[in-house]
Amino acid sequence: GAVVSQHPSWVICKSGTSVKIECRSLDFQATTMFWYRQFPKQSLMLMATSNEGSKATYEQGVEKDKFLINHASLTLSTLTVTSAHPEDSSFYICSAYPDRSSGNTIYFGEGSWLTVV
Amino acid sequence: GDSVTQMEGPVTLSEEAFLTINCTYTATGYPSLFWYVQYPGEGLQLLLKATKADDKGSNKGFEATYRKETTSFHLEKGSVQVSDSAVYFCALSDRQAGTALIFGKGTTLSVSS
Repeated sequence: GAVVSQHPSWVICKSGTSVKIECRSLDFQATTMFWYRQFPKQSLMLMATSNEGSKATYEQGVEKDKFLINHASLTLSTLTVTSAHPEDSSFYICSAYPDRSSGNTIYFGEGSWLTVV
Repeated sequence: GDSVTQMEGPVTLSEEAFLTINCTYTATGYPSLFWYVQYPGEGLQLLLKATKADDKGSNKGFEATYRKETTSFHLEKGSVQVSDSAVYFCALSDRQAGTALIFGKGTTLSVSS
């Protein structure tokens, strides 16, 4: 089946630095990918919709200058957390629909744990 | 906008008890409905899904039926196990509209032996 892979799975960074998380679709092309974040013991909140070759669409309340999304190819989207602070520590998950499928299955990455110290 | 409402947890059961986790939704289109499970420290796993009214999704003893008339997709299992302890998320998406999954807040299930 279709696989979505995220990297890194775990990352610790210092306050003020930037960290990049990659989301790859391994065996399908995805024009659109979605980025979520999940705080401990809470639900997944959609952050943005990543569109290949164009700007991402951010949900209300998400700072686009802080969470930079680049969807450079049909198989790769990246989320960069800029000038990270401890409150950015969270679980970040990406997902994607295969382009050439009429089904409704969305595939999720394994998630990336970010800890900002 | 579209939304999902789940019963609040935590739900605490003894092994072999019957489980119901309620989920209702609001949507303008014709969404597909999903249940995802998240075990401690892990990502999301698709548990089951239904794509149209009256469809029943089932997997690993869990079932849920897409009820358009009541806008519900309740999760049930006849006999829970300790290994079922996890957080369960109800979600919807409108594939035709290309929208992302919208999740409910999640329900924590704890099963004791």
